[in-house]
Amino acid sequence: DQQVKQNSPSLSVQEGRISILNCDYTNSMFDYFLWYKKYPAEGPTFLISISSIKDKNEDGRFTVFLNKSAKHLSLHIVPSQPGDSAVYFCAASPDNAGNNRKLIWGLGTSLAVNP
Amino acid sequence: NAGVMQNPRHLVRRRGQEARLRCSPMKGHSHVYWYRQLPEEGLKFMVYLQKENIIDESGMPKERFSAEFPKEGPSILRIQQVVRGDSAAYFCASSQGLSNDPKAFFGQGTRLTVV
Repeated sequence: DQQVKQNSPSLSVQEGRISILNCDYTNSMFDYFLWYKKYPAEGPTFLISISSIKDKNEDGRFTVFLNKSAKHLSLHIVPSQPGDSAVYFCAASPDNAGNNRKLIWGLGTSLAVNP
Repeated sequence: NAGVMQNPRHLVRRRGQEARLRCSPMKGHSHVYWYRQLPEEGLKFMVYLQKENIIDESGMPKERFSAEFPKEGPSILRIQQVVRGDSAAYFCASSQGLSNDPKAFFGQGTRLTVV
């Protein structure tokens, strides 16, 4: 049972345009969400996160939007650059009322930014 | 401050042999996670450990796989009697395990090939 879903396995965008990666979740106990980027043959690297008390977090070209009522979050990259081509993973963490946080992962979306 | 260190980067084992994968977390991190990425698939959670304790091993196969994180030294993921289906990239991540910051940092991974 996939609690974190990234329904688009791949996305292709033109350089300079906006990339929008989507993520849906099913567990209302999730209260912290993260995006990671992964290049081939490397480990995932943290990109940006958002707490459920916010609906938007911005860091340079990257913005994450959270819609709690729809259990949906999205990552916007603008403008997109060829170096952004990678697999993007969405992860969520449930509030377990303690320090034993576990990240639940989506299957990833492969983004290709074309020059 | 070195990041998460995994070794070896590449490991080749014959069927029936044992594979030992090592992970040294970031300095100050006491929480370690192991993930497996099979070809053409996303990251799959295997096990979550704190020093000397297994917190969550719900993603570990019931047989042949074990993990430890001793008081001193790296975390070890051990696979006994490897089979071809164990061929995958194994990623380790570490975090401080803070309730308000569950962000985890990943190592470069160990690519296990079973021949």
